Amino acid sequence: EPEVTQTPSHQVTQMGQEVILRCVPISNHLYFYWYRQILGQKVEFLVSFYNNEISEKSEIFDDQFSVERPDGSNFTLKIRSTKLEDSAMYFCATRTEAKETQYFGPGTRLLVL
Amino acid sequence: GESVGLHLPTLSVQEGDNSIINCAYSNSASDYFIWYKQESGKGPQFIIDIRSNMDKRQGQRVTVLLNKTVKHLSLQIAATQPGDSAVYFCAESGGYQKVTFGTGTKLQVIP
Repeated sequence: EPEVTQTPSHQVTQMGQEVILRCVPISNHLYFYWYRQILGQKVEFLVSFYNNEISEKSEIFDDQFSVERPDGSNFTLKIRSTKLEDSAMYFCATRTEAKETQYFGPGTRLLVL
Repeated sequence: GESVGLHLPTLSVQEGDNSIINCAYSNSASDYFIWYKQESGKGPQFIIDIRSNMDKRQGQRVTVLLNKTVKHLSLQIAATQPGDSAVYFCAESGGYQKVTFGTGTKLQVIP
């Protein structure tokens, strides 16, 4: 069964450094999302992306965050200057045009020191 | 030390019994509801969904019930197995939009 994949599985970085989290969507999926989950808390929406544009973003998704689909396959989340509070699990989710169900990847655990 | 973060409600069920996990949602405009299962260190896994024009939907060993009058959603798991142990999230969406997750319920299956 096709799955969303994410790399890296774990990332440790110093505060102020840039990180790029990568997601490979399921092949016929055209809608992409990033969510995050701070340890012990619920999953929170960050941004949705379709047709090379941001469709919606949350208050969390400030100027330090950006998304792109650089090569038609990967979908990336960039954090320009990481803060301690960016430490969380980051999940990519994707869906088809026809169905609302979002399928989640295994996540990237980001630790900012 | 002091713990930080949400304290999840926990449901402990004997193996083989049926489990019922409840959820209250807040947005009257939501018309699509999903249950996700999250095992430790993994991403949310889709279990079952239901649209607002339905009040019941069945899958394999799982049933979702929707009561729009009181904005209540429940997940029933038949013959609960040890592999069902996880955190279960209800989630809502305005349809083709972002998914808003609830706080989750931890299901512990006692062998």
